[in-house]
Amino acid sequence: AQTVTQSQPEMSVQEAETVTLSCTYDTSENNYYLFWYKQPPSRQMILVIRQEAYKQQNATENRFSVNFQKAAKSFSLKISDSQLGDTAMYFCAFMAPWNTGNQFYFGTGTSLTVIP
Amino acid sequence: DAGVIQSPRHEVTEMGQEVTLRCKPISGHDYLFWYRQTMMRGLELLIYFNNNVPIDDSGMPEDRFSAKMPNASFSTLKIQPSEPRDSAVYFCASSLDTRGKLFFGSGTQLSVL
Repeated sequence: AQTVTQSQPEMSVQEAETVTLSCTYDTSENNYYLFWYKQPPSRQMILVIRQEAYKQQNATENRFSVNFQKAAKSFSLKISDSQLGDTAMYFCAFMAPWNTGNQFYFGTGTSLTVIP
Repeated sequence: DAGVIQSPRHEVTEMGQEVTLRCKPISGHDYLFWYRQTMMRGLELLIYFNNNVPIDDSGMPEDRFSAKMPNASFSTLKIQPSEPRDSAVYFCASSLDTRGKLFFGSGTQLSVL
């Protein structure tokens, strides 16, 4: 079974500072995808960043980057130069299409507050 | 593209009533998912379709829930009869293929009184 664990229910960061959100997962698959989704108070789920497990290079999207450690099954999200608009719930997600038929597994989320 | 469109955005109903949630996926996307989000259980996959065919409905809580996808541009999730414990945010999402990148609608906040 695939599981995704986010051990930080809540975090806060000062505006313009850097924050790292943690995520670990458990799988026996070798090929899979990992994601970070953002859910602001508007409720919309927004894809932040995506990592393909067979790529060693960590994905980056502007101020967002990941630290993907495949052997450790760890997938943390780093937000640089935090902005007030980054305040949201952040969900880590896992998907292994070759085994789980396109089903996504989500963590329980981390609530991030950016403090002015 | 307008993205995944869900309606209604909010639904308030009384216990025992039938509720129908609607979803229009992104044009060209072959996969459509229905999720339920609650504080207690987080995001749960209810059912997903591939090319309008239900592939996995193991997450549907009970027979009161049913989902259909009569064509590539429309899906419904129906609860009949509704119960207070069905109160949650229901999301529809679509994806182009099996390489991930799930696109969510804005969700329907359902309150069953």
